[in-house]
Amino acid sequence: QTVVTQEPSFSVSPGGTVTLTCGLTSGSVSTNYYPSWYQQTPGQAPRTLIYTTNIRSSGVPDRFSGSILGNKAALTITGAQADDESDYYCVLYMGSGIWVFGGGTKLTVL
Amino acid sequence: QVQLVESGGGVVQPGGSLRLSCAASGFTFSSRGVHWVRQTPGKGLEWVAFVQYDGSSQYYADSVKGRFAVSRDTSKNTLFLQMNSLRVDDTAVYYCAEGYNYCFDYWGQGTLVTVSS
Repeated sequence: QTVVTQEPSFSVSPGGTVTLTCGLTSGSVSTNYYPSWYQQTPGQAPRTLIYTTNIRSSGVPDRFSGSILGNKAALTITGAQADDESDYYCVLYMGSGIWVFGGGTKLTVL
Repeated sequence: QVQLVESGGGVVQPGGSLRLSCAASGFTFSSRGVHWVRQTPGKGLEWVAFVQYDGSSQYYADSVKGRFAVSRDTSKNTLFLQMNSLRVDDTAVYYCAEGYNYCFDYWGQGTLVTVSS
């Protein structure tokens, strides 16, 4: 069974740049998986950041960007701010009407 | 604006059943697929089920296949999740989310399901 992998945790300094990744235990992530990214703070519903690899959802600042880096999908935050401290989840469409979430990355800004 | 409101959560014993609802507004419900996603307290998100815009096809995660059934009533702009044979590990907050371009676009605030004896 293929698992979607994410870094469990990451740390970035205020104003810094961080790249979170989303991979597969078997194979490479491509645009064909329609990777999307979500931000969640405690007690809140997820918020959609990026879909179809690199399209920002409405209202999402342009310091959030999505891409494919090597064999993984990536979410880059440029100029990190304190309120970017959240959990970030990626999702891959596996085909045949099946989606799989990654385990999430807890981002700390300090 | 788009709004999704889940209801129907509560406490149920193992082996019991529960039916969740998701009332949608602010978009053309009949033209979008809709998902159910759950989150175990303190843990990550898990995709549960998806129903096509017209209800013609339904898809399920292996963990719920054969026990859960997703449906929709377009006349009432409402999505349902019938959950049978509930297990302790089904305890979670259940979110509905509008499907768009292979992603989860707008999300509801969730409803808590607790399976416990």
